[in-house]
Amino acid sequence: GAGVSQSPRYKVAKRGQDVALRCDPISGHVSLFWYQQALGQGPEFLTYFQNEAQLDKSGLPSDRFFAERPEGSVSTLKIQRTQQEDSAVYLCASSPRGAGGYTFGSGTRLTVV
Amino acid sequence: QQQVKQSPQSLIVQKGGISIINCAYENTAFDYFPWYQQFPGKGPALLIAIRPDVSEKKEGRFTISFNKSAKQFSLHIMDSQPGDSATYFCAASKVYEAAGNKLTFGGGTRVLVKP
Repeated sequence: GAGVSQSPRYKVAKRGQDVALRCDPISGHVSLFWYQQALGQGPEFLTYFQNEAQLDKSGLPSDRFFAERPEGSVSTLKIQRTQQEDSAVYLCASSPRGAGGYTFGSGTRLTVV
Repeated sequence: QQQVKQSPQSLIVQKGGISIINCAYENTAFDYFPWYQQFPGKGPALLIAIRPDVSEKKEGRFTISFNKSAKQFSLHIMDSQPGDSATYFCAASKVYEAAGNKLTFGGGTRVLVKP
């Protein structure tokens, strides 16, 4: 596609529910990142994939957060037993292999009630 | 640990004026410094970026100034327009980190350009 596509755009979950957020990166982009952006804050790194390999998951805040990219394209960020503090915009970004800037999607706004 | 500090949190500028946003970083291993622009409901979009081997980079109305010894860099928006009203984020990364160039973002500056 022309850009990074994320779905759903909005998700409301009851506390304790599991959620799955999807990211379709730009075709051919090797690198894929997930970031969490709290209201009024800058994005914070969660995890990084190079193709299907998850090379860095140091930013995942707890073991309730899990990400996968099984075929090296589409990625899913799963949050188990959601808590109110998980409410944020979850941004996905992709880039060609190597250095430089990358392209962000519009994000999924998760609200936990 | 906030590795990239950004100021001011917000600023208001008249159309045609200059917007200046400052950032300071702590990690001397950082070697890539981009600026992103974000509109409400959208993801951040890359505006301009600089490497530490140059002190200034200009693209159109946007200029980055970089001071390696002070570990500071700034964004200047010349001839500010109402369409520039957005939130701006500075960021930093280590380009050749084996596990990808993950970005560390500043806290953001909300810019409002008054007509």
